Amino acid sequence: DQQVKQNSPSLSVQEGRISILNCDYTNSMFDYFLWYKKYPAEGPTFLISISSIKDKNEDGRFTVFLNKSAKHLSLHIVPSQPGDSAVYFCAAPRNAGNMLTFGGGTRLMVKP
Amino acid sequence: KAGVTQTPRYLIKTRGQQVTLSCSPISGHRSVSWYQQTPGQGLQFLFEYFSETQRNKGNFPGRFSGRQFSNSRSEMNVSTLELGDSALYLCASSWFGDRLSYEQYFGPGTRLTVT
Repeated sequence: DQQVKQNSPSLSVQEGRISILNCDYTNSMFDYFLWYKKYPAEGPTFLISISSIKDKNEDGRFTVFLNKSAKHLSLHIVPSQPGDSAVYFCAAPRNAGNMLTFGGGTRLMVKP
Repeated sequence: KAGVTQTPRYLIKTRGQQVTLSCSPISGHRSVSWYQQTPGQGLQFLFEYFSETQRNKGNFPGRFSGRQFSNSRSEMNVSTLELGDSALYLCASSWFGDRLSYEQYFGPGTRLTVT
């Protein structure tokens, strides 16, 4: 069962514009979410996280929004840069431990 | 501080063989998790070790096993390899798995190809 879903496999954005990556989840027990970025031939790199007690968390150009009623979160990147081109995964921990459930990923391409 | 290291980076094995992958976590990290990444299934959790004990296990057959040593280094083993085991195997380390922070730090992965 896919408890975390990223329905857009790819997204293309012009440099300087906003990138919005979306993630939906089905398990209402999830109370913490993370976004990771992955370049080819590298492991995922942690970007930003959000607890369910918040609806927004910001870190520089990256902002994550959480809508608990819709079971939806989104990652906004403003302004987008060519170096942001990568695959982005949303993830949620389960079982009160380090068992992360990942979405399928969204490939972001930022065009110069 | 050195990051998570994984060895080897690339491996080619034939069906029926077994393989052992190694992971050294960030110094001080006591939790080590393993994930499998394939084009079809995405990133899937294999198992987690904390203080030499398996704390969580994903939905993988018993051919996949692991262990953790007293210095927190971890190994995973896959026996009787199948073609479908070809994947990128990622190791991640973190602190105590405290509920205040679920950040995991990933290594570069081991690319396993089974022929």
